[in-house]
Amino acid sequence: GDSVTQMEGPVTLSEEAFLTINCTYTATGYPSLFWYVQYPGEGLQLLLKATKADDKGSNKGFEATYRKETTSFHLEKGSVQVSDSAVYFCALSAPNYQLIWGAGTKLIIKP
Amino acid sequence: SAVISQKPSRDICQRGTSLTIQCQVDSQVTMMFWYRQQPGQSLTLIATANQGSEATYESGFVIDKFPISRPNLTFSTLTVSNMSPEDSSIYLCSETGQGRGTEAFFGQGTRLTVV
Repeated sequence: GDSVTQMEGPVTLSEEAFLTINCTYTATGYPSLFWYVQYPGEGLQLLLKATKADDKGSNKGFEATYRKETTSFHLEKGSVQVSDSAVYFCALSAPNYQLIWGAGTKLIIKP
Repeated sequence: SAVISQKPSRDICQRGTSLTIQCQVDSQVTMMFWYRQQPGQSLTLIATANQGSEATYESGFVIDKFPISRPNLTFSTLTVSNMSPEDSSIYLCSETGQGRGTEAFFGQGTRLTVV
């Protein structure tokens, strides 16, 4: 079945460092791909999405490109801030309108 | 985008009791989903709730333990019954619009601690 694999955390970086969180997927069709963020003590918020191959989603300085050839949707940000500390989830849309979730990656940014 | 209000936001409950979590959406939606997020873990789908029909439960979850109501297109409840400490989790409701590329919107979550 469809699945999502994320790099394990926690990922600890210094402020202004470059961020990459890897996400790869397995799907039989052509799913939409999402990154969600969960700040401490809060619910999940959509960070960005891409609906077809080569689409680039972007928001708040974060970017991810839908790579069909490598079945990947890696999250990147050029310069992270302390306020980016959160748990990041990669997800894909299943045919039955559910989302298939990755395990989540905890990001810790130190000043 | 849909706005989902979920309550309570947190609760501490005694084992053996039940808690009902409410989820209100600001627009009519066909499908609503209930998730459990155990500490430090990803989301696990409990069930899908469609208006006018019984909820569809995922493997490992049963109606007697997690009864769900869906009386109309904007509201749903999840009850956690006969609670034990293992039920301590964050419970989340969400809705997903129908259509390619439609993202899921989430309530704020209910942080449940069973003592």
